[in-house]
Amino acid sequence: DAGVIQSPRHEVTEMGQEVTLRCKPISGHNSLFWYRQTMMRGLELLIYFNNNVPIDDSGMPEDRFSAKMPNASFSTLKIQPSEPRDSAVYFCASSRTPGSYEQYFGPGTRLTVT
Amino acid sequence: DQQVKQNSPSLSVQEGRISILNCDYTNSMFDYFLWYKKYPAEGPTFLISISSIKDKNEDGRFTVFLNKSAKHLSLHIVPSQPGDSAVYFCAASGDSGGSNYKLTFGKGTLLTVNP
Repeated sequence: DAGVIQSPRHEVTEMGQEVTLRCKPISGHNSLFWYRQTMMRGLELLIYFNNNVPIDDSGMPEDRFSAKMPNASFSTLKIQPSEPRDSAVYFCASSRTPGSYEQYFGPGTRLTVT
Repeated sequence: DQQVKQNSPSLSVQEGRISILNCDYTNSMFDYFLWYKKYPAEGPTFLISISSIKDKNEDGRFTVFLNKSAKHLSLHIVPSQPGDSAVYFCAASGDSGGSNYKLTFGKGTLLTVNP
């Protein structure tokens, strides 16, 4: 079975450019999570969708970040405009809720903003 | 304010010996705890979990212990193998009344198992 799929795996962009990260959750999973991992802050939750509806976006750092989940098999995380401090690894994870706290992570997108 | 803390950034053990990774939490509302393992350039993978109604859960070489009064959990790996070398994350959930399945992660402990 395919796991969580993320694209691109690596993204290098210049400050001020728009960046879009993509995620395809595991089929049948109805919850989707976007995380950011940095050395300073570790693994932090940005936003959480359940049945395509945003449930908790308290971790989204500022208005430059936005996330959408137009259907059960696709989600995007957009940064516009990007800044060097956005450089991090961004993970998408999915799970089947209710009933399970176990989240399955994708391989991540390493974003570098110069 | 970190609600889940892994105070040891790294741990080194000999192959065949026991590895003990520790995790402390501050939020008394947490009622479910998980351990994840992460290899370089990969996403974290689920390892083992424990509910707050238990104090121990075992799965093969991996055992998680929970001490609710101390707000402390630990992961024991016996015997340790070189393939266990990875970053281990502790995570907690349940502080939103059961309707929010978000996880709060510690910063991780890098385990190195030497042959």
